[in-house]
Amino acid sequence: KQEVTQIPAALSVPEGENLVLNCSFTDSAIYNLQWFRQDPGKGLTSLLLIQSSQREQTSGRLNASLDKSSGRSTLYIAASQPGDSATYLCAVRHNNNDMRFGAGTRLTVKP
Amino acid sequence: EAGVAQSPRYKIIEKRQSVAFWCNPISGHATLYWYQQILGQGPKLLIQFQNNGVVDDSQLPKDRFSAERLKGVDSTLKIQPAKLEDSAVYLCASSSPTSLEQYFGPGTRLTVT
Repeated sequence: KQEVTQIPAALSVPEGENLVLNCSFTDSAIYNLQWFRQDPGKGLTSLLLIQSSQREQTSGRLNASLDKSSGRSTLYIAASQPGDSATYLCAVRHNNNDMRFGAGTRLTVKP
Repeated sequence: EAGVAQSPRYKIIEKRQSVAFWCNPISGHATLYWYQQILGQGPKLLIQFQNNGVVDDSQLPKDRFSAERLKGVDSTLKIQPAKLEDSAVYLCASSSPTSLEQYFGPGTRLTVT
């Protein structure tokens, strides 16, 4: 069964701290992995997409890594800001085209 | 570039009634997805279209849910009859033909009473 897990479910940090969000998947036969941000009552905003052949992607203060062999991806946020407060979701597209989302990590950055 | 459009944004119905949601994807995106997101969970794929053909509908409750994309552009998702457990946000997404990166609409929040 293809499962995606995100731990922790919730995280609270002070402003300015660097942090790491985790995403693990049981089936390593993946096509790509995408990180999203979801604000309350809103849709999902794409942050980073990592193809299976890539090890990491960077956008501004965000860096996502992918380790297929261990079934893990991490999203690193540098110098966190209160505006980063949201739920972060990872989604795995497997080679059989099956799409699975994690339940998300709810991040709160305190001023 | 216009994003994925969805309507309505909110809908409240009674159980056993029917409801329909509309989605217009990003121009040029051949692949369209409908997801169901229950509060506190990640989105669950209901159906995926490639142009006007169904690629995956394995998690669509076909006894009550239906979806169509007749002209390969916009799509409609229907629930008939609705149950209390259908209360959720229904998200539509489309993906670029090359990278398969998904872009989401704002969603429709359905409440079944």
